[in-house]
Amino acid sequence: DVKVTQSSRYLVKRTGEKVFLECVQDMDHENMFWYRQDPGLGLRLIYFSYDVKMKEKGDIPEGYSVSREKKERFSLILESASTNQTSMYLCALSPGRGRDYGYTFGSGTRLTVV
Amino acid sequence: GDSVTQMEGPVTLSEEAFLTINCTYTATGYPSLFWYVQYPGEGLQLLLKATKADDKGSNKGFEATYRKETTSFHLEKGSVQVSDSAVYFCALTSNTGNQFYFGTGTSLTVIP
Repeated sequence: DVKVTQSSRYLVKRTGEKVFLECVQDMDHENMFWYRQDPGLGLRLIYFSYDVKMKEKGDIPEGYSVSREKKERFSLILESASTNQTSMYLCALSPGRGRDYGYTFGSGTRLTVV
Repeated sequence: GDSVTQMEGPVTLSEEAFLTINCTYTATGYPSLFWYVQYPGEGLQLLLKATKADDKGSNKGFEATYRKETTSFHLEKGSVQVSDSAVYFCALTSNTGNQFYFGTGTSLTVIP
């Protein structure tokens, strides 16, 4: 089975801090995604990447950036954390861009910004 | 653009009751359709999928049929268990396969 590891299950950070959320896969999948999940809003795509050093904005990229220096690792960066970024963050990956590929998700990081 | 609409919850059922969670979609072309399940404190897991019209996806007693004429992919289970308590998400891939679109999720609680 594909394993997607998110570095922390729970994080508490202060407003204005720079926050790094890490996602690591143990397969050779090209496509990696960052979502945030909020009650009543479902999942919203922040950024995604189809290859090393490649990144594309999703639907809500403002206040976030990403880094993909190695194929297995995709980092989400909150440049200056704010309270409205308190959320559950989910990393996902898929083996290809075909329409039949489902996602494999990590367990999520619940971030609280105080 | 592409989108998914699923019934709002929360849904509360007694054990062994019949479950239906409605999902309809809007998409250009021929998307693939998915149901994901999220148990408390965990990420999403793929429950079942269907990749073309009239396909039926099934897993763990859950079923959903891809209905192109009604643009629907309703999730059903004949007899729910307490362990089925979770949040269920309907999703589709765009025709190009480049992006997923998720519904807002439906919370299910099954009581003994």
